[in-house]
Amino acid sequence: EVQLVESGGGLVQPGGSLSLSCVASGFTFSTYWMHWVRQAPGKGLEWVANINFDGSKQYYVASVKGRFTISRDNAKSSLSLQMNSLRVEDTAVYYCRAAQPTVDHWGQGTLVTVSS
Amino acid sequence: QSVLTQPPSASGTPGQRVTISCSGSSPNIGNNPVNWFQHLPGTAPKLLIYNNNQRPSGVPDRFSGSKSGTSASLAISGLQSEEEADYYCAAWDGSLSAYVFGTGTKVTVL
Repeated sequence: EVQLVESGGGLVQPGGSLSLSCVASGFTFSTYWMHWVRQAPGKGLEWVANINFDGSKQYYVASVKGRFTISRDNAKSSLSLQMNSLRVEDTAVYYCRAAQPTVDHWGQGTLVTVSS
Repeated sequence: QSVLTQPPSASGTPGQRVTISCSGSSPNIGNNPVNWFQHLPGTAPKLLIYNNNQRPSGVPDRFSGSKSGTSASLAISGLQSEEEADYYCAAWDGSLSAYVFGTGTKVTVL
């Protein structure tokens, strides 16, 4: 059974840091591009970042560049998102997504709340 | 704001056909394949269409996608009550070097 399980969400103050994790099982993790996608309360889906098969390429949405870092460990089938200098507008449910051209897997999401 | 524009809402009665548009530009839809996702509240999003008009295994053929120039569309024929959800188009944007989702369309089954 394919599973993506996110963890690490929680409440953090503005300016703080948080690290999200996503552990994959049931598929060959190293053959998928991995993404983080978020949904703020009452808003639509927003792509945050992605990383290629071996972690050598990363791309970010403009609003998180320089603050967030995406990384992966293929040996552990895990994906991470290090989030620094968090802002109130980063409050959202963060989803982990594994993507190939014809196949797509998503986790159930983890809630990040940035508030004082 | 997203660079891919969708109507905020669409509706139909059970069995009807509903079409959702997605308007973009050359760096995204014009030069890259379009995906469509279904998102039911409280659940993980689901890929409905990839590469403009292809369905992943398990997606009913009532869902179809098309693309022309810098616009794309998703059609749902034989609308069912359980398909009341939010629908998003998405594509890579070569100018932004970013993957972009559309603004989203809430489909209501009347």
